[in-house]
Amino acid sequence: GAGVSQSPSNKVTEKGKDVELRCDPISGHTALYWYRQRLGQGLEFLIYFQGNSAPDKSGLPSDRFSAERTGESVSTLTIQRTQQEDSAVYLCASSLLRNEKLFFGSGTQLSVL
Amino acid sequence: GENVEQHPSTLSVQEGDSAVIKCTYSDSASNYFPWYKQELGKRPQLIIDIRSNVGEKKDQRIAVTLNKTAKHFSLHITETQPEDSAVYFCAASKGLGSQGNLIFGKGTKLSVKP
Repeated sequence: GAGVSQSPSNKVTEKGKDVELRCDPISGHTALYWYRQRLGQGLEFLIYFQGNSAPDKSGLPSDRFSAERTGESVSTLTIQRTQQEDSAVYLCASSLLRNEKLFFGSGTQLSVL
Repeated sequence: GENVEQHPSTLSVQEGDSAVIKCTYSDSASNYFPWYKQELGKRPQLIIDIRSNVGEKKDQRIAVTLNKTAKHFSLHITETQPEDSAVYFCAASKGLGSQGNLIFGKGTKLSVKP
């Protein structure tokens, strides 16, 4: 595809359930990022991938959050035992080089009831 | 680590007026400062960026200025139009391929009234 694709676009889940969010970056982009955006708030860094490795996981808020990337392409962000405070838009972005122009996906709106 | 402060959080202007959004950063090693625009319900998109070897950069009605000594940078939008209404985010990093992350400010919601 031409841009960063994320799925699902919306996810409603019950507290305590696990969720998996998917990101398909632009082909050839080695850098991939996950950000969280709470309603009306800024972009909170979660994790950065260079290729398939994650040299910076410093933004993950708890051990309930994990992410992986395979084939230097698709990435999944997993949230275990979801809590209401996890409700937010989860944005994925990719770029050719780290911190070069970021191309964002349209995000996954996660609602934890 | 880097900390980026952004002001104001909301800004309302009349169509045709100018709008200025200001950001400060804490890490003197930061040297790359992009601005992203996020329209309602849409994804953030890069609108302009500046590197520390440049003091000012313009692109039509948009300009960004950088004061390295004071560690602040600003976005200037002239002749504002209703389609400029959006949330604008500033960010800072140590540059391409650097070890640091792109750290965003909390955003400024700009409303341009016709």
